Amino acid sequence: EPEVTQTPSHQVTQMGQEVILRCVPISNHLYFYWYRQILGQKVEFLVSFYNNEISEKSEIFDDQFSVERPDGSNFTLKIRSTKLEDSAMYFCASSGGTGYGYTFGSGTRLTVV
Amino acid sequence: AQKVTQAQTEISVVEKEDVTLDCVYETRDTTYYLFWYKQPPSGELVFLIRRNSFDEQNEISGRYSWNFQKSTSSFNFTITASQVVDSAVYFCALSEFNTDKLIFGTGTRLQVFP
Repeated sequence: EPEVTQTPSHQVTQMGQEVILRCVPISNHLYFYWYRQILGQKVEFLVSFYNNEISEKSEIFDDQFSVERPDGSNFTLKIRSTKLEDSAMYFCASSGGTGYGYTFGSGTRLTVV
Repeated sequence: AQKVTQAQTEISVVEKEDVTLDCVYETRDTTYYLFWYKQPPSGELVFLIRRNSFDEQNEISGRYSWNFQKSTSSFNFTITASQVVDSAVYFCALSEFNTDKLIFGTGTRLQVFP
């Protein structure tokens, strides 16, 4: 069964450093997403991406965050200057269309120290 | 505004008991989609079901069943004859037609004891 692949599975970074989280969505999907889950809390929407541009973003997704699909297969989330409160599990997801169902990757646990 | 409420924070049952996880949603749209996801201790999000707002038929898949009632804006999930492997956090989620983001509830942690 096709799956969404995320790397790394766990990343530790120092406050103020830039991090890039990587995802390989399902190949024939057109919609890509990032979600975040702070430990023990609910999963929160960050951003959706379609046709090489952001289609929607949440209040959490401020100027410190950016997304890119650099080569037609990878989908990346960059956090420019990490803060302690960015520590969370970050999930990438892809979908074939609105409401079609979303396949999530297994997540990247980001720890900012 | 979109909102998903899972009032049960944590449920504990003994193996073989039936358990129902509640989900109540709010939306102004007439077209929307409802989902359930399972998050086992390993942390990944496992898709369980998707239901669109025009399909109120209840669904059964093995020991899992879902009861969708538009009149009460609820989409409840029942596990019959629970097993230890069912122990996880279960999330209900909503997606409206004009947006492609998922709004998650706060989750219900289910613990099944042997």
